[in-house]
Amino acid sequence: NAGVMQNPRHLVRRRGQEARLRCSPMKGHSHVYWYRQLPEEGLKFMVYLQKENIIDESGMPKERFSAEFPKEGPSILRIQQVVRGDSAAYFCASSADRNNRPQHFGDGTRLSIL
Amino acid sequence: DAKTTQPPSMDCAEGRAANLPCNHSTISGNEYVYWYRQIHSQGPQYIIHGLKNNETNEMASLIITEDRKSSTLILPHATLRDTAVYYCIVRAYNAGNMLTFGGGTRLMVKP
Repeated sequence: NAGVMQNPRHLVRRRGQEARLRCSPMKGHSHVYWYRQLPEEGLKFMVYLQKENIIDESGMPKERFSAEFPKEGPSILRIQQVVRGDSAAYFCASSADRNNRPQHFGDGTRLSIL
Repeated sequence: DAKTTQPPSMDCAEGRAANLPCNHSTISGNEYVYWYRQIHSQGPQYIIHGLKNNETNEMASLIITEDRKSSTLILPHATLRDTAVYYCIVRAYNAGNMLTFGGGTRLMVKP
C-alpha cells in the first residue's frame, strides 16, 4: 500500500440518503485531511484530523457533514441526508506530521446525487 | 497563508522545458512554497516544495528568488503526460492544516 487509498471511487446516492466515504492514509501517516472539489472549481479544505481527534473543521458545512479518524481503521467522511449540491469529488490527503512534510492525495470519491 | 498569483494557462512544446511562474509577494519568513499538479480530475500530485534554497527532485526543479517573492517550477523535458493544472501554494511551517488551492496554471504540452 504505497499511497492514500479512497473508496469507493464512485458513489451514487438518492436525495435524503447517507453517504460514507472512506480513506486509508499512507503507511506511517497519522494526519488526514479532507477536501471537496465541486464541478469546474478548485479544491476546498474541509477538515483535518489526527488519530481520534478533529484538529480543524473550519471548512466543514455546519450541518449534515461529519468526519472521524478512529484509532483503528480508515478515516470516514459522512454526509447525512444528501442533497444535489453535495455532488462533487471528495479527496483525502495524509501527511506524516503537521510541519513541512507534504500532503499526499488519494484519487478521490466521485459522489453523484440523483 | 500568503496568496499566490499564477497565469491561468500556458503552452509548451513536447521535449522542451516548461517554466511555470508563481508570484507570492506577501510570503512570510516561515512559509514554504509547495507545488502540486492535478491531471484530469485525478487526485492532486505532490511535486516539490522549498523554503528559500532552490530544490530539485526526479520530477522538477524549484527556483525561488532571493527575496522569496516569486518562484518558478521547471519541468526540464515536458511530455504529453505533463498536461495538467499546476498549483503553487504557500503554507506556513507547523501550520498543520489546509492547503489553499487557487486557480492554478493549466499547462498544455503539445506535440
